[in-house]
Amino acid sequence: DTAVSQTPKYLVTQMGNDKSIKCEQNLGHDTMYWYKQDSKKFLKIMFSYNNKELIINETVPNRFSPKSPDKAHLNLHINSLELGDSAVYFCASSRLEGVSGYTFGSGTRLTVV
Amino acid sequence: DQQVKQNSPSLSVQEGRISILNCDYTNSMFDYFLWYKKYPAEGPTFLISISSIKDKNEDGRFTVFLNKSAKHLSLHIVPSQPGDSAVYFCAASGGSNNDMRFGAGTRLTVKP
Repeated sequence: DTAVSQTPKYLVTQMGNDKSIKCEQNLGHDTMYWYKQDSKKFLKIMFSYNNKELIINETVPNRFSPKSPDKAHLNLHINSLELGDSAVYFCASSRLEGVSGYTFGSGTRLTVV
Repeated sequence: DQQVKQNSPSLSVQEGRISILNCDYTNSMFDYFLWYKKYPAEGPTFLISISSIKDKNEDGRFTVFLNKSAKHLSLHIVPSQPGDSAVYFCAASGGSNNDMRFGAGTRLTVKP
């Protein structure tokens, strides 16, 4: 009964590959997000989706693309992976107004070799 | 640009004493502030929040103080317990959207 679940938990892949990270929430939240925690431990917003509409798109490379088949899912696709993409990626969700904060998934540690 | 800053990467306190974690922000449009707690290999979990219309919010052992003029907030944990050992992230949102900005985190260690 995990509230926000993301898979896989660990992902090791070679440079140049294309990979996807899946995220699902069963909280009925309106908005879902992808955050990247970089080597300096900063959590940086990448994307958010509200009712299947992209409402935030930070300056991330266009190799990264969010895909939301429905309100409960926001998957992250990454093309042509680079060494610098290695990080922990967190999915999160919230009600539109975010009164009680975000609920995060447990993270996906991506290692590009 | 880091709009939310936690200048202390780590803090160590003795069990039973008070832990004070600090956070500064630069964006005057922020009107909602939160603290998250993160254990290794887990996602951050919401701990406590405060809106800009208040200067204090208390929940059990956790109290958050907001000083809008100084653009500063702090989280007080008293008494501190070994189970409180984790990384604490300060976050803020507001303005034209609900985009939430996070600080870099402070690793709290509570020694028995």
